[in-house]
Amino acid sequence: AQSVTQLGSHVSVSEGALVLLRCNYSSSVPPYLFWYVQYPNQGLQLLLKYTTGATLVKGINGFEAEFKKSETSFHLTKPSAHMSDAAEYFCAVTPQGAQKLVFGQGTRLTINP
Amino acid sequence: IAGITQAPTSQILAAGRRMTLRCTQDMRHNAMYWYRQDLGLGLRLIHYSNTAGTTGKGEVPDGYSVSRANTDDFPLTLASAVPSQTSVYFCASSVSGGAADTQYFGPGTRLTVL
Repeated sequence: AQSVTQLGSHVSVSEGALVLLRCNYSSSVPPYLFWYVQYPNQGLQLLLKYTTGATLVKGINGFEAEFKKSETSFHLTKPSAHMSDAAEYFCAVTPQGAQKLVFGQGTRLTINP
Repeated sequence: IAGITQAPTSQILAAGRRMTLRCTQDMRHNAMYWYRQDLGLGLRLIHYSNTAGTTGKGEVPDGYSVSRANTDDFPLTLASAVPSQTSVYFCASSVSGGAADTQYFGPGTRLTVL
């Protein structure tokens, strides 16, 4: 069964600091990988996704993620945090050939001024 | 551009009552989904539909039913609500239901069952 683990349910960083949100998946076959963001009282929106090709994926709002097959990871980073980045972030995977999107439990990102 | 609309925004419901959550999309997407979001559990798939006239069960389908009479609408029905169905419900859609598809989410319905 495909599962997704996000390390840390809550991450706090200072404005201007590096943001690193961790995501690991369990699968012998690399799945499709997604990061979604949920701002307060809103639905989810796609930040970025990896399907094939280049393993470093750039998304919206300065975020990027790198697919590392050997580590079964897809960590999300942003060089310099902004106050507007405060939100809940979800890593999700879809096993190749399947349809169902499996979500991690989410990481709440807080930005300190 | 409306995207996906959900109604109601929030609802408090007595246990045992029937409730239908509405979802409409204007993107002409073939696939639609219903998720529930619970603290610490992320989002879990309840039901999905690859195209009008077809539906499928997700991870947590018990106590819920769906129908897909046309492309735009995908209502979720709780036949007899129970307190464990207290949650935030999100409807989503994607172009074709493919594994690499981006899913687009509605704003959610916050449901409390007492």
